[in-house]
Amino acid sequence: DIQMTQSPSSLSASVGDRVTITCRASQSISNYLNWYQQKPGKAPKLLIYAASSLQSGVPSRFSGSGSGTDFTLTISSLQPEDFATYYCQQTFSTPLTFGPGTKVDIK
Amino acid sequence: EVQLLESGGGLVQPGGSLRLSCAASGFTFSSYAMSWVRQAPGKGLEWVSAISSSGHSTYYADSVKGRFTISRDNSKNTLYLQMNSLRADDTAVYYCAKFRSSQISCYYCGMDVWGQGTTVTVSS
Repeated sequence: DIQMTQSPSSLSASVGDRVTITCRASQSISNYLNWYQQKPGKAPKLLIYAASSLQSGVPSRFSGSGSGTDFTLTISSLQPEDFATYYCQQTFSTPLTFGPGTKVDIK
Repeated sequence: EVQLLESGGGLVQPGGSLRLSCAASGFTFSSYAMSWVRQAPGKGLEWVSAISSSGHSTYYADSVKGRFTISRDNSKNTLYLQMNSLRADDTAVYYCAKFRSSQISCYYCGMDVWGQGTTVTVSS
């Protein structure tokens, strides 16, 4: 099974900050990597698929990069509505696996 | 409007069974793979199971293999999860989700539509 790790597990940031979250796969997954945002009590929302493709309707301040085993999600200028937990997920092989999440809260 | 609506959750005793349903609307259900994802209280997301668009291929997490069965009825636009031999660690919010593709494993296979979730509590 492919294990996904994320760092940091949590971070505190201010509105307007540039935020970067890292995701690492235990083996190469090419670009079979997705990023989701989840707010408390709500369903996850797809932000990025194929490592760097922005899902329709997602603000352009979100971007993804990486290939192989190392990936990043970047929020160029953090907005109040971006405080949430972010998960990466691989769809390279089953079992599909999520990272443990990165909680972004207000400094 | 593209929508997924789960139902069937509830309180069940250990060893019991439940069947979750997910009614889809607003898109061509038979063209897309579907999945169940769960989230235990205070925990992260856990992929549970997935099914191809035709229903011919199914996939399971090791934690539910042999106990859960995913299925779909494309004529009714509905996804199901039959859960047997339930355990306390199956307690979670269960989400159904639509893949962007008919396939489950591909570089563009993110889950782009999610239901609101249904809560399953396994307790005596």
